[in-house]
Amino acid sequence: EDQVTQSPEALRLQEGESSSLNCSYTVSGLRGLFWYRQDPGKGPEFLFTLYSAGEEKEKERLKATLTKKESFLHITAPKPEDSATYLCAVRGGSYIPTFGRGTSLIVHP
Amino acid sequence: EAQVTQNPRYLITVTGKKLTVTCSQNMNHEYMSWYRQDPGLGLRQIYYSMNVEVTDKGDVPEGYKVSRKEKRNFPLILESPSPNQTSLYFCASSLTSGDTQYFGPGTRLTVL
Repeated sequence: EDQVTQSPEALRLQEGESSSLNCSYTVSGLRGLFWYRQDPGKGPEFLFTLYSAGEEKEKERLKATLTKKESFLHITAPKPEDSATYLCAVRGGSYIPTFGRGTSLIVHP
Repeated sequence: EAQVTQNPRYLITVTGKKLTVTCSQNMNHEYMSWYRQDPGLGLRQIYYSMNVEVTDKGDVPEGYKVSRKEKRNFPLILESPSPNQTSLYFCASSLTSGDTQYFGPGTRLTVL
């Protein structure tokens, strides 16, 4: 059974204070690890897809990395508008993706 | 604009009254799916469809039905809703099963 654990559950940062969110996973035959951003009351918005260990992707202040056991979402110099819940998901051999419970990020001005 | 739409966005109903939540995508995606999101449990897949007339159960299919008669539409049917189906529902689509999923805006369902 595929499993995804995200930590921390909640994170409060000051504007400009860089940090990282963790996504640990176990999956049979990784076919993709996905990061999403979700604002309250809205659908998840796609951020990144990573397929193999060592892969990295960047978008503005966000950078996602992948190892064989975990992925990190690094947030550099965050701004209040980066406040959201960040979701990690993996897709393995089955067609059913497994989502983590998310990390709720609040960035204070 | 490429998008996934859901209707209604909000619905309050009573136990046992059949309802349908519609989902439509305009990206010609083959793969579509339904999720429910509950506090502390995260997103869980209800049903998915690999293509027209091809559907299969996800992790939590009990109490739900789906159909895929056209590529763009994937309605979720609750034939006899119960209070434990009160949740936030999302439809999603992707080009194929392994690709990035694009989510709709959500439907908040309350069953009294």
